[in-house]
Amino acid sequence: AQRVTQPEKLLSVFKGAPVELKCNYSYSGSPELFWYVQYSRQRLQLLLRHISRESIKGFTADLNKGETSFHLKKPFAQEEDSAMYYCALSPAGTYKYIFGTGTRLKVLA
Amino acid sequence: DARVTQTPRHKVTEMGQEVTMRCQPILGHNTVFWYRQTMMQGLELLAYFRNRAPLDDSGMPKDRFSAEMPDATLATLKIQPSEPRDSAVYFCASGLVLYEQYFGPGTRLTVT
Repeated sequence: AQRVTQPEKLLSVFKGAPVELKCNYSYSGSPELFWYVQYSRQRLQLLLRHISRESIKGFTADLNKGETSFHLKKPFAQEEDSAMYYCALSPAGTYKYIFGTGTRLKVLA
Repeated sequence: DARVTQTPRHKVTEMGQEVTMRCQPILGHNTVFWYRQTMMQGLELLAYFRNRAPLDDSGMPKDRFSAEMPDATLATLKIQPSEPRDSAVYFCASGLVLYEQYFGPGTRLTVT
């Protein structure tokens, strides 16, 4: 079954601490993987996608095909990083998306 | 600044009533997605259209939900009859190329 799992509903870290939001996926094939972010009172927006290999706002995500994971990382968390983060996959060549249940990140001062 | 718009932003209705949510995609975008967001399930893809034709609506409860694109500037999601379990935030998104989608602000639906 195609599935995206984000095991943590809530993750709290202190400002300046490293942060890692976990994402595991189940898919028999080569999906495209994404992280979306929703800041308070803002729209859901794309944070980064695996295919582009960009670093956005200091966040990076590495695809580990062996562990079927796509964890999101940032070395030093900022208070403005507090938001809801969704991991998603799209089967290659399709417009279909499967999202995880999301992780709320709280960065404490 | 082109954006996806959704109306209404909030809707409270009684069980059994019909609910219609509307979405105006970004001008020129030919792919439209409908999502439902709940605490328990997160974000679920209900249906998506390309060039106004439905490509996949397998995520949608068929007996009460329907999605259409009467024209390129309007997408609708209807629930009839509505039930309390339909309470959620419904998002529309649009895009032009593969792996691109821009989200609307959502419609918060409460069914009592």
